[in-house]
Amino acid sequence: SQQGEEDPQALSIQEGENATMNCSYKTSINNLQWYRQNSGRGLVHLILIRSNEREKHSGRLRVTLDTSKKSSSLLITASRAADTASYFCATDEGKLIFGQGTTLQVKP
Amino acid sequence: SAVISQKPSRDICQRGTSLTIQCQVDSQVTMMFWYRQQPGQSLTLIATANQGSEATYESGFVIDKFPISRPNLTFSTLTVSNMSPEDSSIYLCSAIGQGLNQPQHFGDGTRLSIL
Repeated sequence: SQQGEEDPQALSIQEGENATMNCSYKTSINNLQWYRQNSGRGLVHLILIRSNEREKHSGRLRVTLDTSKKSSSLLITASRAADTASYFCATDEGKLIFGQGTTLQVKP
Repeated sequence: SAVISQKPSRDICQRGTSLTIQCQVDSQVTMMFWYRQQPGQSLTLIATANQGSEATYESGFVIDKFPISRPNLTFSTLTVSNMSPEDSSIYLCSAIGQGLNQPQHFGDGTRLSIL
C-alpha cells in the first residue's frame, strides 16, 4: 500500500531554477528518505531525515520535515539538465513505503 | 553504503514459465526486501526476506507466486512463478545495514517482460 502522496506529479523547469517537491504521509514514521530514479534505472538514495530532525542538506539538496503536518519537501537548487529524473519520498515505518513520485524535467 | 547487485538485469520470458532473480549485497545487512515497480508507477513492497525463515509477504502477494529465499545475511532470491503479461515489471532488491535509521539502498533492478 502507498502511504506518501507527492506533489506535483510532474514538474518542468529551466536549468538554473529551483525545484521543490512535496510529500505528505499519514502515520508515525522513524524517518523519511528521498530517492532519485533515472529512466529505466534503479533507485539512488539521496537523503534520510530522522523524525526528530527538521532540516537536512546535501550539496544542492535541502530536505525539510514537519512531523506535525506529516509532510516533507525536497528542494533542488540551481537545477541542471542531469537532475531530470523521477523523485520519490519513502516513509520508514518498520518497512519503507513509497509515494507516487514526482517526475522532474529540467530543460537546458 | 552497501552495494547491491541483481541479476539478471533484464529478461524476456514466455507466459507460464518462472524466473529466479538473484540479489547479492557486498556487506552484511540486517534486512532485505523485494519490491515491484509496474510500468509508470511507484514501488510496491512485495515482501521482507527473512534469513533462514519464510519471508513476510505484504497484502496482495503470496508465497506460491513469489517464493523468496534468504539463506544468509548477504544473499536473497525472488522467483516469479507461472508468469503472465501482468507480471511485466521492474523487480528491485533492497537492503538496510546494521544500526538505527540506516538508509535503505537498492539494486539496479530486473526489468522483466512476459510475452
